[in-house]
Amino acid sequence: DAKTTQPNSMESNEEEPVHLPCNHSTISGTDYIHWYRQLPSQGPEYVIHGLTSNVNNRMASLAIAEDRKSSTLILHRATLRDAAVYYCILNHNNDMRFGAGTRLTVKP
Amino acid sequence: DAGITQSPRHKVTETGTPVTLRCHQTENHRYMYWYRQDPGHGLRLIHYSYGVKDTDKGEVSDGYSVSRSKTEDFLLTLESATSSQTSVYFCAISEPKQGSGQETQYFGPGTRLLVL
Repeated sequence: DAKTTQPNSMESNEEEPVHLPCNHSTISGTDYIHWYRQLPSQGPEYVIHGLTSNVNNRMASLAIAEDRKSSTLILHRATLRDAAVYYCILNHNNDMRFGAGTRLTVKP
Repeated sequence: DAGITQSPRHKVTETGTPVTLRCHQTENHRYMYWYRQDPGHGLRLIHYSYGVKDTDKGEVSDGYSVSRSKTEDFLLTLESATSSQTSVYFCAISEPKQGSGQETQYFGPGTRLLVL
């Protein structure tokens, strides 16, 4: 199974951009890169996904390396409500394997 | 928010007793999933369903069974609960999309189960 590697934790200041990295060196050509986040005491929620091209939506941007072996989730202006665990997942035939994710702390 | 509810939200039970958790959706999504979340393991897939009466095993299915008799309901049963099944259980739903791998999953609020 293709796996992802993320830092255990990151810190950010409120209203500053945050770049959350993810390595997925064994990604296959048909794997989509998904990001979910989990706020305290809630279920995970979808953030964004992509295949090869960079993607933007109202929540975040996803930058995918040209060789697809890494990606970065970008929160353009972190707020206190963005404090959560962020999961980078490779979706292969709707099989998603969650790792431990990155715990993002946002400081006021 | 996706219309997904889980019941009960909290449950304490004793080892050896049967437990059934219910997931109910109002989105008419075809796929439904049960995950468990434990410290140090992230979320792990227990069972999933790709339609009424169509289910399959996930990564950690031992000790669990599921049933789906209606599109909107997906039941997870612990036939004889053990302390190792103490966990937070999440239900999720998704709708198949062209280009497998694009489906996004929507999660319920979770059920905290404590087996004494």
